[in-house]
Amino acid sequence: DTGVSQDPRHKITKRGQNVTFRCDPISEHNRLYWYRQTLGQGPEFLTYFQNEAQLEKSRLLSDRFSAERPKGSFSTLEIQRTEQGDSAMYLCASSLGVAGERYNEQFFGPGTRLTVL
Amino acid sequence: GENVEQHPSTLSVQEGDSAVIKCTYSDSASNYFPWYKQELGKGPQLIIDIRSNVGEKKDQRIAVTLNKTAKHFSLHITETQPEDSAVYFCAATRFQGGKLIFGQGTELSVKP
Repeated sequence: DTGVSQDPRHKITKRGQNVTFRCDPISEHNRLYWYRQTLGQGPEFLTYFQNEAQLEKSRLLSDRFSAERPKGSFSTLEIQRTEQGDSAMYLCASSLGVAGERYNEQFFGPGTRLTVL
Repeated sequence: GENVEQHPSTLSVQEGDSAVIKCTYSDSASNYFPWYKQELGKGPQLIIDIRSNVGEKKDQRIAVTLNKTAKHFSLHITETQPEDSAVYFCAATRFQGGKLIFGQGTELSVKP
């Protein structure tokens, strides 16, 4: 399967702990996005990368959050000192990122569901 | 700021009927409008999209219309089937390949 993959699928942690999620985009895709989705809501944008460059960060991405894409392939999202309000589904998406008919199409992974106790 | 409003929040139809979901966007510079279907426990799946230079697009039982003047776009599903039951999200973006702004979602239930 060549879709977007995310690991882990589920994570339960205690308040104050650090967690890290991984996203592997579709292989030929240059852009990678992170979104957060809470129950009953649409996904909210967090940040995105063009290759290894982080091009935009939402104000939702507090100092406790950091995202990296060191080699322009997979990406990690780390949350430090987790809080109960961080409980959500964290979604990763990727897109081609080059001019053309399919430039804007974003394809999502299955998500990582985080529960902070 | 950028905002997308989606209605209705829930929609129940009989199998074979049509379903229509409507969205309104605030940023007049938005130029790309995708629709996603999300099933329980899964990530959103892109089902159809439309660009600002097109007024309507069809793909089998699914169609999307765009009214740029009114800043409205809609998803139409004809001949609904039970497997169409899911949460549907509209989205908009103003930048090539940039962030998507999502609506709040519509939970569609198709009763056999």
